[in-house]
Amino acid sequence: EIVLTQSPATLSLSPGERATLSCRASQSVSSYLAWYQQKPGQAPRLLIYDASNRATGIPARFSGSGSGTDFTLTISSLEPEDFAVYYCQQRSIWPPITFGQGTRLEIK
Amino acid sequence: EVQLLESGGGLVQPGGSLRLSCAASGFTLSSYAMSWVRQAPGKGLEWVSSIRGSGSSTFYADSVKGRFTISKDNSKNTLHLQMSSLRAEDTAVYYCATNTPEPRVDIIMIDWGQGTLVTVSS
Repeated sequence: EIVLTQSPATLSLSPGERATLSCRASQSVSSYLAWYQQKPGQAPRLLIYDASNRATGIPARFSGSGSGTDFTLTISSLEPEDFAVYYCQQRSIWPPITFGQGTRLEIK
Repeated sequence: EVQLLESGGGLVQPGGSLRLSCAASGFTLSSYAMSWVRQAPGKGLEWVSSIRGSGSSTFYADSVKGRFTISKDNSKNTLHLQMSSLRAEDTAVYYCATNTPEPRVDIIMIDWGQGTLVTVSS
């Protein structure tokens, strides 16, 4: 089973700042990594798939990069609505599909 | 517009059974792989099960294998998750999600329902 480790667990930033979230895989997942955003009481929303492709309707301030075992989600300039929990997910070697434990992005 | 509406959650005793449904609209269920993902209270996301668009192949997490069954009723455009031998650790919000269209089976959770809560407790 591929384990995904996200860091940091919590990130405290202010609106307008740049956010950098990390996801590390226990073995290579090639580019088969997705990122999701989840706000309290809501279902997750797909942001990025295949490491760097924005999903439909996702603003350009969200970008993904990486391949192999190290991946990054970057939010270039934080908007108030971006404060949420972010998860990464791999689909390279499955079953099982695995998710990271999440990074909470909170307002500083 | 894709819409997914889960139903069937509720309170069930340990060892009991429950059947979740996910009514799909805005697309043809038989053409898409689909998945169930759950989230225990205050915890992260956990993949539960996936099914090919054709329904010909199914996949399960080890934690539910042999107890849960995923299926599709393409005539009603509805996805199901039959859950049996339920345990306290199955308590979670269960989400259905669309994946990619046939013939691909790329498990990317593209669209999500709002979720249905399953509570396993005596």
